[in-house]
Amino acid sequence: GAGVSQSPSNKVTEKGKDVELRCDPISGHTALYWYRQSLGQGLEFLIYFQGNSAPDKSGLPSDRFSAERTGGSVSTLTIQRTQQEDSAVYLCASTHPRGLAGDNEQFFGPGTRLTVL
Amino acid sequence: EDQVTQSPEALRLQEGESSSLNCSYTVSGLRGLFWYRQDPGKGPEFLFTLYSAGEEKEKERLKATLTKKESFLHITAPKPEDSATYLCAVRSNTGKLIFGQGTTLQVKP
Repeated sequence: GAGVSQSPSNKVTEKGKDVELRCDPISGHTALYWYRQSLGQGLEFLIYFQGNSAPDKSGLPSDRFSAERTGGSVSTLTIQRTQQEDSAVYLCASTHPRGLAGDNEQFFGPGTRLTVL
Repeated sequence: EDQVTQSPEALRLQEGESSSLNCSYTVSGLRGLFWYRQDPGKGPEFLFTLYSAGEEKEKERLKATLTKKESFLHITAPKPEDSATYLCAVRSNTGKLIFGQGTTLQVKP
């Protein structure tokens, strides 16, 4: 079956522009996560959606970052007024309510590589 | 503060040379320790989840073990296709995953 998909795969933008990154989770997965992976760094948690609950936004680095999830499925991560330090790979993951490997096994998409010039 | 530290940062092995990767953690209320494999340009791929000290899981040449302070990923007789970055993460009672920085493994033929 289809896995988590993300678009675009690569995005080059100029400093100060807004960007939107899209994530299509696996059908039926109720939880969706966004992470940021900078060169040589581990994955940094950004935001977490679980069903109809209020999202956990505790990882968003600034108010320039926001995300929404429409209809409990597709999610969009928006970065306003991009800065060079926003350059990174943005990864999305989704989770089945009862993963085969136990609680909360996360399936990751291929990521969007964002470059801010 | 919840924290995950992986060592070494990089590891070079000859094909067939067994070794171990370490993941040390401090977490409030462990709700699972996860190992992932990440190939260049791709998202992490799930390998194992461990929940309690003493637990072990195996998959092909990989074996993961867990104590109260650390986890090891043992690689037995590795092959070049095992070359990748291996990520460790813990889930605390807040529900979020906290990742280590990874160990980049290179296996030479």
